[in-house]
This record gives sequence, structure tokens and C-alpha cells, in this order.
Amino acid sequence: DTAVSQTPKYLVTQMGNDKSIKCEQNLGHDTMYWYKQDSKKFLKIMFSYNNKELIINETVPNRFSPKSPDKAHLNLHINSLELGDSAVYFCASSQEGRVYGYTFGSGTRLTVV
Amino acid sequence: DAKTTQPPSMDCAEGRAANLPCNHSTISGNEYVYWYRQIHSQGPQYIIHGLKNNETNEMASLIITEDRKSSTLILPHATLRDTAVYYCIVRVAFNNAGNMLTFGGGTRLMVKP
Repeated sequence: DTAVSQTPKYLVTQMGNDKSIKCEQNLGHDTMYWYKQDSKKFLKIMFSYNNKELIINETVPNRFSPKSPDKAHLNLHINSLELGDSAVYFCASSQEGRVYGYTFGSGTRLTVV
Repeated sequence: DAKTTQPPSMDCAEGRAANLPCNHSTISGNEYVYWYRQIHSQGPQYIIHGLKNNETNEMASLIITEDRKSSTLILPHATLRDTAVYYCIVRVAFNNAGNMLTFGGGTRLMVKP
């Protein structure tokens, strides 16, 4: 069983579209995250979410929004996609934010054309 | 969180020990040293962490200097599968800022036959 799974693995879409990336974890963790890795390979935190609060990195455009239907899921919604949104998006989870316990998904490569 | 400095790249011969340095001269007393790695096209993977004492697990060893201003990750017998970007992160175990893990540039380790 994959601990943190993301779907789809690849996503190609046109500018202006709205898309979602799904993330599920079966580790029983209480905190989930979204990261963006751009073409320069820098990993940037976008969101941190547990059942108490959402922490947003101030550099993230408000076109991006996380949605959590339950503790095991944190989906990423992106509105009005732009070319600059092309990147690999990683979902991760941890228990109580323990730094050693982060588990990452395998990533979703988003290409906006 | 304390800033870390790592060499951008290193080479290592297969079967030899890979020693990856990290400088963290501004580390605080309650901050841990964590190591993660990212193999190409995969999500980051936790390796090891420590506070003061040297640590060893099935993946690697972590040597922290007595003044805690630097550390070295040791892969005792590097294999081709250890080719990856290695990230040294210094952080408290928990924080109130969404417990978000921030990645720097890391060291790109190339293990050569």
C-alpha cells in the first residue's frame, strides 16, 4: 500500500483551465502539505493543513486552494492555470509536524500549454 | 530556522563512503539537524536526524561536531542508487508556523561506477 498517493501522475492542460490534483495518505497522519518543485528544482512549501488550521505560504497565488474532505485527503485546486504553474507538485504528510516523519508522494507533473 | 550551507555537488565512487558536509553555524540549542534526499523524479525521503550525538541507522550515519555548527552525513558504501540530491535541514522538532519543512538547494551527489 502506498503511504502517500497522488493522482494523476501527469497532467497536461491548457492555459485558463481549472484543474485538481488529489492526495491521499493512509498513515493516520494529522498534517498534510503541498509542495511545488519548479524547473530549477527548488522545493517550495505551498500549504500546511491539519484539522485545525490552514497555513498558506504568502507567495502562493490565491488561484491555488487546498481542500480537505477528511483527515486522509488534501486535494489541490488550481484555477485559471498559467504557464508558470508548470511544475511538479508533491503532497506530503506528517504526524504533529514531526520533521523526521515527513512522507512524500511521488509527485504530479503539471504541464500548462 | 537556522540557515544551512551545502556544496552544490559532489562525486563519489561506487562502494566508497560518501561524506556530505553541512554548515549550520547559527544553529540554536533546540534545533535538530535533519537529512532528506530526493532521488530523481521521486518525492523527498527522510534519512536521519540528530541533536547533539552522532546517530546511525540502516541508511546512514550522522556526525555532528561538538559545537554543533556543522555536520556530516555518511553513506558508508555508496551505490548507484544513492545518486540523489541530499538536503540538510536545521529546525526545531515542532513549531507553530504550520510545522512546515523548508528545503534549500541541497547537494547533488553523483555516485559513479
